[in-house]
Amino acid sequence: GQQVMQIPQYQHVQEGEDFTTYCNSSTTLSNIQWYKQRPGGHPVFLIQLVKSGEVKKQKRLTFQFGEAKKNSSLHITATQTTDVGTYFCAGHYNFNKFYFGSGTKLNVKP
Amino acid sequence: GAGVSQSPSNKVTEKGKDVELRCDPISGHTALYWYRQSLGQGLEFLIYFQGNSAPDKSGLPSDRFSAERTGGSVSTLTIQRTQQEDSAVYLCASRVADTQYFGPGTRLTVL
Repeated sequence: GQQVMQIPQYQHVQEGEDFTTYCNSSTTLSNIQWYKQRPGGHPVFLIQLVKSGEVKKQKRLTFQFGEAKKNSSLHITATQTTDVGTYFCAGHYNFNKFYFGSGTKLNVKP
Repeated sequence: GAGVSQSPSNKVTEKGKDVELRCDPISGHTALYWYRQSLGQGLEFLIYFQGNSAPDKSGLPSDRFSAERTGGSVSTLTIQRTQQEDSAVYLCASRVADTQYFGPGTRLTVL
């Protein structure tokens, strides 16, 4: 069945270091979304990528969608303690369903 | 309200009991999703409602799970004869365009 794999499961970084999480699908995605879930909170939508090879930036966050629309990444430059949380990708194959990756839990040491 | 609300925020029940979880989506959002999130895991799709169309129930894990959406607004997820493996956070999201807005979730604990 369709599923989205996400790595790594955990990432511990020192404040100021960079962070990247990756998502991969075995089949072509219609689009992919990224969410952030703070500890004890609920997922909050960050961005959606639709086009092949698309790159979008939000301040220190850079989102990429692969040329084949099967993989995506989220890169955070110079992490801050406010970046702590779990980052999820959600692959969209058809109009209805989103398949969430298992998430990457980011811990930032001050 | 300003966002998606869910009730109760926490529910502790005994194995074998039925539970009802409620979701109030953002007004005007016609699409509504239910997800389940086990501890430290990703979100598992359960069911999707879109307007007056038949819901997509393909994610419901067993026939003990059911959901309805009345009047295109409030939704209720019902779990019958709860089992310990049902313990999780149940999240509701309403969608406008391509953005899903999540509620705070209901943490269900089955003893």
